[in-house]
Amino acid sequence: DAMVIQNPRYQVTQFGKPVTLSCSQTLNHNVMYWYQQKSSQAPKLLFHYYDKDFNNEADTPDNFQSRRPNTSFCFLDIRSPGLGDAAMYLCATSSLGRGEAFFGQGTRLTVV
Amino acid sequence: AQKVTQAQTEISVVEKEDVTLDCVYETRDTTYYLFWYKQPPSGELVFLIRRNSFDEQNEISGRYSWNFQKSTSSFNFTITASQVVDSAVYFCALSDRNNLFFGTGTRLTVIP
Repeated sequence: DAMVIQNPRYQVTQFGKPVTLSCSQTLNHNVMYWYQQKSSQAPKLLFHYYDKDFNNEADTPDNFQSRRPNTSFCFLDIRSPGLGDAAMYLCATSSLGRGEAFFGQGTRLTVV
Repeated sequence: AQKVTQAQTEISVVEKEDVTLDCVYETRDTTYYLFWYKQPPSGELVFLIRRNSFDEQNEISGRYSWNFQKSTSSFNFTITASQVVDSAVYFCALSDRNNLFFGTGTRLTVIP
């Protein structure tokens, strides 16, 4: 059974039109991450939540926002997607102190 | 600052050959975790192994084995008797507690 679920698997959005990607988990982990992975590159951490505490990476553009309304759900909002934001977006969870992260299947975002 | 280097961008082997994927890391932390993940074409990152910084014992799991050497800051991954299903991108990663930093990945192609 999937433990980290991302919806949708594929998302097409128009240039400049806000889009939201969702992630849910059944592991009750207190840490949730969002990564961006462009073609043939390593996943790049955008931000993470430790419980409700939000931690933004210094080089994450302001265009990217996140919400975590409860332990199980986390959302990635892209306010004005540009062509350069087309990528695979990966959500992951971990339990503090254990280090191991469990990943969802990702959402592949296309910007047209 | 944490850094993970995977010098091999792409490797091709013929089925049944053994192959070793290299990983070198940098960190100032004394407590950290090292990981290997597999990313098949479907996109999901699949956890393979976690090692903490205090455990230098090598590990074998079926056809997979890992060699952790703190003295050289390396955490290499060997697949014996490779199979076509092993074709994927393999990422080495380092975690200091909450954040997971990835290397740039090694694309392994196993030729039938």
